Amino acid sequence: AQSVTQLGSHVSVSEGALVLLRCNYSSSVPPYLFWYVQYPNQGLQLLLKYTSAATLVKGINGFEAEFKKSETSFHLTKPSAHMSDAAEYFCAVVRGQGGSEKLVFGKGTKLTVNP
Amino acid sequence: DTEVTQTPKHLVMGMTNKKSLKCEQHMGHRAMYWYKQKAKKPPELMFVYSYEKLSINESVPSRFSPECPNSSLLNLHLHALQPEDSALYLCASSEERGQLYYEQYFGPGTRLTVT
Repeated sequence: AQSVTQLGSHVSVSEGALVLLRCNYSSSVPPYLFWYVQYPNQGLQLLLKYTSAATLVKGINGFEAEFKKSETSFHLTKPSAHMSDAAEYFCAVVRGQGGSEKLVFGKGTKLTVNP
Repeated sequence: DTEVTQTPKHLVMGMTNKKSLKCEQHMGHRAMYWYKQKAKKPPELMFVYSYEKLSINESVPSRFSPECPNSSLLNLHLHALQPEDSALYLCASSEERGQLYYEQYFGPGTRLTVT
């Protein structure tokens, strides 16, 4: 069954530094992959999604992710971190088919941005 | 309007109480979801409604009873809950079910505490 694994439950970067959040997927079929962000005491917001149209996906707030089939990865990056990027980030994959599709999340990565 | 609203924001209830959580969207979405999120964990799917009919029940205990009165509203009726049911309950919606339309819009959640 389709699943995702997020490497690193906590990532800490300095303001202005590169953000790299790792996500690897497991799927026997072409996956549909998503990155969501959750700010404290809020719901989830979609950052970007991969639906096989392009391997480099640009999202909101300057984030992007590259789908690499050879590495079964969909890592999230941002060239320069802002304090406002501090949040929990979830990678997710669609599991199932034929009317039973559902979104399955990774365990999440908490991003801390230091001044 | 890309907003999903949830009421109440916070709810404290005893184990013998009956309460309801409410979710509303006016985006014309035909799929609506309930998720449960424990602290420092990813959201876990509870129920999916598609065109106002229950299509997925993730083996949720019967003390949780979902209802979809119309295409804009989703309720979660709570009865005889246990302290371990304390969590953030998230509602989400999407245009349709199925992989191509799996961008889900989340509400801010209801923080439930069972005493």
